[in-house]
Amino acid sequence: GAGVSQSPSNKVTEKGKDVELRCDPISGHTALYWYRQSLGQGLEFLIYFQGNSAPDKSGLPSDRFSAERTGGSVSTLTIQRTQQEDSAVYLCASSLQLMGTQYFGPGTRLLVL
Amino acid sequence: AQSVTQLGSHVSVSEGALVLLRCNYSSSVPPYLFWYVQYPNQGLQLLLKYTTGATLVKGINGFEAEFKKSETSFHLTKPSAHMSDAAEYFCAVSEFSGAGSYQLTFGKGTKLSVIP
Repeated sequence: GAGVSQSPSNKVTEKGKDVELRCDPISGHTALYWYRQSLGQGLEFLIYFQGNSAPDKSGLPSDRFSAERTGGSVSTLTIQRTQQEDSAVYLCASSLQLMGTQYFGPGTRLLVL
Repeated sequence: AQSVTQLGSHVSVSEGALVLLRCNYSSSVPPYLFWYVQYPNQGLQLLLKYTTGATLVKGINGFEAEFKKSETSFHLTKPSAHMSDAAEYFCAVSEFSGAGSYQLTFGKGTKLSVIP
């Protein structure tokens, strides 16, 4: 079946603008994760959704970052008032259940000018 | 807090030679351990994982890793490198966060080059 998909694949924006990144998990996967991959920090956990439970937001770096997951499927990561340090690859992963293997999408490469 | 250390940010091997990528972790509880591979401009692909049971784990593309609790290690090996193995490899550990998730904590990655 189809894997995790993310859009857009690349996004260039100006400092101060808001951006939305989208993730479509594998069908039937209840758990969804967002990670950020940057040169300086490596791969970092951002946020986690599991079914109807409250999300684990412990990895969000600032209140400019937020995410939602509608209908237990598609998720959107929003970055408000983007800064140059937000430039990174944003990776989404999903797993069948809480402790399941995480399968990653191709990522969205964000460049903030 | 858990952490993952990958020794060597860059490793070069000759085609046909042994590949050894080192990973050590710290975790307060028995961890789940993973190796992922990332090809340029692509996402992460799972190579293999250890959860419970047999400590020698076999994965895709001829890779395997051995969980050694006494050494807190999970080194990745492949007997004979192929040109197509050139990529970046990430070791990761997963444990319950306390906030409801099993997020992965990754090492910094090791970029593998294969010399013809």
